This record gives sequence, C-alpha cells and structure tokens, in this order.
Amino acid sequence: EMQLVESGGGLVQPGRSLRLSCVASGITFDDYAMHWVRQAPGKGLEWVSGISWNSGSIDYADSVKGRFTISRDNAKNSLYLQMNSLRAEDTALYFCAKDIMLVYGSGSYFVSWGQGTLVTVSS
Amino acid sequence: DIQMTQSPSSLSASVGDRVTITCRASQSISSFLNWYQQKSGKAPKLLIYAASSLQGGVPSRFSGSGSGTDFTLTISSLQPEDFATYYCQQSYSTVTFGGGTKVEIK
Repeated sequence: EMQLVESGGGLVQPGRSLRLSCVASGITFDDYAMHWVRQAPGKGLEWVSGISWNSGSIDYADSVKGRFTISRDNAKNSLYLQMNSLRAEDTALYFCAKDIMLVYGSGSYFVSWGQGTLVTVSS
Repeated sequence: DIQMTQSPSSLSASVGDRVTITCRASQSISSFLNWYQQKSGKAPKLLIYAASSLQGGVPSRFSGSGSGTDFTLTISSLQPEDFATYYCQQSYSTVTFGGGTKVEIK
C-alpha cells in the first residue's frame, strides 16, 4: 500500500528555520514528481513547491520563493522542504503530495497525499 | 499567475439534492482542471482530473465539466458522506487551488 509520511513540523520562532521530510513507501519514488501543499488554520489549500522526478524542474509559490528550498533523495524515497526566515504567515499544516507525472506541468494532478505535519511560527 | 475563483464559498444542502460548484480561471487553462474533496482535518482526496475524468473508486454521482475558463463540479444526489470542502486546482501553469466550497447540511 502506498504511503506518504511527513515529519519535522513543530513550534519555531519567527526568523528561524525548519526542515520538513516526507518518506514514501509502496511506490517507485523516482517515477513521480512531488509537491508540498500547505493549509493555514481554517483556510484553503495553497501549493508551495514542486519538484520533478530527477530534481531537474523545481518551482515555488511567490509567497515562499527565496526562503524555502525543495529537494529529494530518490535513494531514500524522501522529499524535503527547507524553510528559512519563517514568518507567522507560514503557520500551516504542510502536506506532501505525489504527482501522476514524472515532470509536473500541464496535466498534473495529485493522486496521493500524506496526513501532514504542523508548523507553527510564533514567538 | 493564474487565479482560480470558486463559487459559492459555502452552501447548505439536503441529502438527495443536486449540488453544483463552479470554478473560474483568470485565463484559459484548456482542460487542466482537477477537483478534490477534503474532510475536516484530513488530506484532500482526488475526485476528478482533466476537468471530467472520474478518479478510480470515486462514486459516479460526482461529475465534472468545462474547458477554457469555466468549470463545474456536480454531485447528482448528495449523500451524508459528501459533506466536506471541495477545491478546484489548475495545472496549466504551475499549480493553483481555488478558495474552496464548503458543503454543509441544511
């Protein structure tokens, strides 16, 4: 059975850093692009970042560009999100999601999601 | 960036009702439009991809239509397990989600 499990969330002060991880099981991880999607408390879904199967294509939402870095280690079936210069508005539940495609783009959709890891940015 | 506008933001309906949710893109996205269902505190679930294709395992009472800028998700006969929030998502240019439509019990 396919599973995505996020970890690394927690309480962090504004301006500090945090690194999220997502470990996949039950799939051939390097057959798919991957994404991070977040949801602030009581709010809607916001796409954060996406990465192609070989890390050759990477993209970010404007709200995190220059502060967050997505990466993956296919040998470890793992996806990461390095979050620097955190702000209160980054407080959210962060989901990792598996794309249907090798390289995200026109036609992408997210067939599998983790349960999320909560990031709270507060002093 | 492509903006996605859903309407209504919430609605109240009864079991057995036909429910329609609309999603409008700020520019043409062809048929690169997907729909997700999210229940409180849970991960979203893919319902419809490519505007009108039903994801495997999703009941046939869910259907999608549209192309270009205007799209619709229809639930033909609302069931108790369908009370949730629904999101559209475009994948024509990176990814953007709509603001969501909360379907509540009347």
